[in-house]
Amino acid sequence: QKEVEQDPGPLSVPEGAIVSLNCTYSNSAFQYFMWYRQYSRKGPELLMYTYSSGNKEDGRFTAQVDKSSKYISLFIRDSQPSDSATYLCAKYNFNKFYFGSGTKLNVKP
Amino acid sequence: GAGVSQSPSNKVTEKGKDVELRCDPISGHTALYWYRQSLGQGLEFLIYFQGNSAPDKSGLPSDRFSAERTGGSVSTLTIQRTQQEDSAVYLCASSLVSAGDAREQYFGPGTRLTVT
Repeated sequence: QKEVEQDPGPLSVPEGAIVSLNCTYSNSAFQYFMWYRQYSRKGPELLMYTYSSGNKEDGRFTAQVDKSSKYISLFIRDSQPSDSATYLCAKYNFNKFYFGSGTKLNVKP
Repeated sequence: GAGVSQSPSNKVTEKGKDVELRCDPISGHTALYWYRQSLGQGLEFLIYFQGNSAPDKSGLPSDRFSAERTGGSVSTLTIQRTQQEDSAVYLCASSLVSAGDAREQYFGPGTRLTVT
């Protein structure tokens, strides 16, 4: 079983929609959860991270961790065409990062 | 300031040749990671350097892969006798470790390796 599982999509939404991206994870040891955004032919860039459980908000982005169901989510409000990218979830524990395979998002103008 | 840089950006090589990929981390970052990203796949951890500690090589897929980090800064990933399945984007990331915590890592643009 992979440490982090993610639906590859693609996910296509109209501009202004609320986007929900999700991952599941195994192994509930002490850890952080991250979301990265990766544009085509670029390296991933860190969007935000949360510790263990709860919500974290940054502008139009909200990261949520549900420890009971081992579910991590990223919500994007008022999505823009510039949000079109691949979104990678990851968990971090003891100097190791475990990444999902990424969900490709397309926001149509 | 300057981010993580990698060279070359693209590399095409013949099967059986050796290749060297270079990573220049952000100045002052003590932790350095190498990953491999194949089409439609997530990032596969390869190796981790932290300061002067012995590197964590647990992700290297075979003994054809090796990496070194000189002077705690620049790192080189070497693939010997390349195979077609080695074709992928190789990403380097660095982070500033604080109290043993390296969760904020910054990625380079990657080297796209194609083995023909």
